[in-house]
Amino acid sequence: GAVVSQHPSRVICKSGTSVKIECRSLDFQATTMFWYRQFPKQSLMLMATSNEGSKATYEQGVEKDKFLINHASLTLSTLTVTSAHPEDSSFYICSARTGLYEQYFGPGTRLTVT
Amino acid sequence: GENVEQHPSTLSVQEGDSAVIKCTYSDSASNYFPWYKQELGKRPQLIIDIRSNVGEKKDQRIAVTLNKTAKHFSLHITETQPEDSAVYFCAARGSNAGGTSYGKLTFGQGTILTVHP
Repeated sequence: GAVVSQHPSRVICKSGTSVKIECRSLDFQATTMFWYRQFPKQSLMLMATSNEGSKATYEQGVEKDKFLINHASLTLSTLTVTSAHPEDSSFYICSARTGLYEQYFGPGTRLTVT
Repeated sequence: GENVEQHPSTLSVQEGDSAVIKCTYSDSASNYFPWYKQELGKRPQLIIDIRSNVGEKKDQRIAVTLNKTAKHFSLHITETQPEDSAVYFCAARGSNAGGTSYGKLTFGQGTILTVHP
């Protein structure tokens, strides 16, 4: 149980275009999902917390107009990187929380902006 | 907000030895402390967790201890195997409603564990 999927696993896009990443909880309902960014050999940096049916809460320094998050249902959250630039290239990982505690991660999306 | 410090940053052991990774946290209201294992290019996997109402938890070869007074917790891996080689992250979850850390996991910097056969 507690499986989180993420799609796509890898994406290459051109500078200025937008990219959408999907995160799904496959066998449970997640009232809260999280989006992280991870640079090579570094820790996980929380970008935003997403609650079903409400606006996402962004961490300080994260541009909400650039990283659009939509938590449309209890099993799906999406992250859209708008007007992507090379500096947005990174590993993006979502996670979903079951109940009050356990948090499970998706496999991540490697974004490369050329 | 919460601050989590993790040590050491790298740890190298021989197969069969024990490995210990330590973390300290700053928010005394934090109430949940998970440990994740991340292999290269893969997702972090929850391997064990502990809540603030217990001091120790064990699952086969891994155990976690928590000292709330000192605000630190540790991961213990016994009888290490080469497949234990990975990056390990500790995390702490804030509990103060309305605080900046509420409900969010703050991660340590990670420990690269290498188990030599």
